[in-house]
Amino acid sequence: RKEVEQDPGPFNVPEGATVAFNCTYSNSASQSFFWYRQDCRKEPKLLMSVYSSGNEDGRFTAQLNRASQYISLLIRDSKLSDSATYLCVVDNTNAGKSTFGDGTTLTVKP
Amino acid sequence: NAGVTQTPKFQVLKTGQSMTLQCAQDMNHNSMYWYRQDPGMGLRLIYYSASEGTTDKGEVPNGYNVSRLNKREFSLRLESAAPSQTSVYFCASRDTGEPSYEQYFGPGTRLTVT
Repeated sequence: RKEVEQDPGPFNVPEGATVAFNCTYSNSASQSFFWYRQDCRKEPKLLMSVYSSGNEDGRFTAQLNRASQYISLLIRDSKLSDSATYLCVVDNTNAGKSTFGDGTTLTVKP
Repeated sequence: NAGVTQTPKFQVLKTGQSMTLQCAQDMNHNSMYWYRQDPGMGLRLIYYSASEGTTDKGEVPNGYNVSRLNKREFSLRLESAAPSQTSVYFCASRDTGEPSYEQYFGPGTRLTVT
């Protein structure tokens, strides 16, 4: 079993749709959680950190459920510019290492 | 600020050849990382350096060596390239702290081994 697993996708949605991505992690010692965005053939860039209380940044909402070892990302009112691959990242801070999920690809269509 | 820079951007090697991928950051970060990304997959950690003078193996270290030359620079060496090492290589850096800070990535090196 992979340490971080994401919905395989791809997700193809119309503009304006709401879409949710899920991610599960197996290491209960994990301490920090992130969503990164990666455009085609580009480097990943931080979209948002994920906090236990849940956090929101504009149209994006991230939630963490430590008991179920589950992270989610909700995108409301999808834009064409949201088309990208979204990577779930889990850190074991004590080890200083990050584990990436394989990513979920989103295509937003007109 | 240039952020994280990587050279070269593209490289084609023949099986058995060696090369060094260079990475530098100008953000005064303590930690630096080398990842590889194969098509349709996430990033896998090759080696990392938590601070100047230290290096540790990641998930897929076989066939690679690293050097943390100073706080700014972290190089990745392929001693004898194999077709299985065809991939996109990303270098990253971040500040240390708890909880973890974000990682900043370089633009990547696209390596093909024939």
